[in-house]
Amino acid sequence: SQKIEQNSEALNIQEGKTATLTCNYTNYSPAYLQWYRQDPGRGPVFLLLIRENEKEKRKERLKVTFDTTLKQSLFHITASQPADSATYLCALNSGYSTLTFGKGTMLLVSP
Amino acid sequence: NAGVTQTPKFQVLKTGQSMTLQCAQDMNHNSMYWYRQDPGMGLRLIYYSASEGTTDKGEVPNGYNVSRLNKREFSLRLESAAPSQTSVYFCASRRGGVSEETQYFGPGTRLLVL
Repeated sequence: SQKIEQNSEALNIQEGKTATLTCNYTNYSPAYLQWYRQDPGRGPVFLLLIRENEKEKRKERLKVTFDTTLKQSLFHITASQPADSATYLCALNSGYSTLTFGKGTMLLVSP
Repeated sequence: NAGVTQTPKFQVLKTGQSMTLQCAQDMNHNSMYWYRQDPGMGLRLIYYSASEGTTDKGEVPNGYNVSRLNKREFSLRLESAAPSQTSVYFCASRRGGVSEETQYFGPGTRLLVL
């Protein structure tokens, strides 16, 4: 089965800096990888999807990279804001219609 | 659109009691999922229904049953609750098909089993 590793320690950064979160996986390379945001007491919300044949994807201040050789995805938030504080989950397809989620990394952006 | 709705929001059960968690989506999605989320464990798939009329086990199905009542509704039943089933339960749905991989989550049901 797929194993996904996200940094379990919270990432603390200052407002305006770029936050970089890491997602590493073992075993097979997924057809795609997704990033979700989860706020306390709420369900995860989809942010970005990147496919195995894509190296980079952008959406506003968000950027995701996918390196199938390193088996790693990096998630960047540029010009971070306190409102970006949340837990970010990495998810890989683990079957035709299922996802395996990482445990998530908490991001704290201080003013 | 309400998206994915779950009831109840909170529930306290005693060991051995049974209950059903309800989930409904109004997005005409084909696939639906039940996850549990525990501290330090992340989201784990309990059961899923790839399409109406089908259900399959996920990573942690023991102690649970599901019913895909129709295209909109997917329920999760605990026949005899155990303290180990104390968790936050999330329902999710997905349109299904190629290029439709995003999952949409409900607000969760917080369950405490004493």
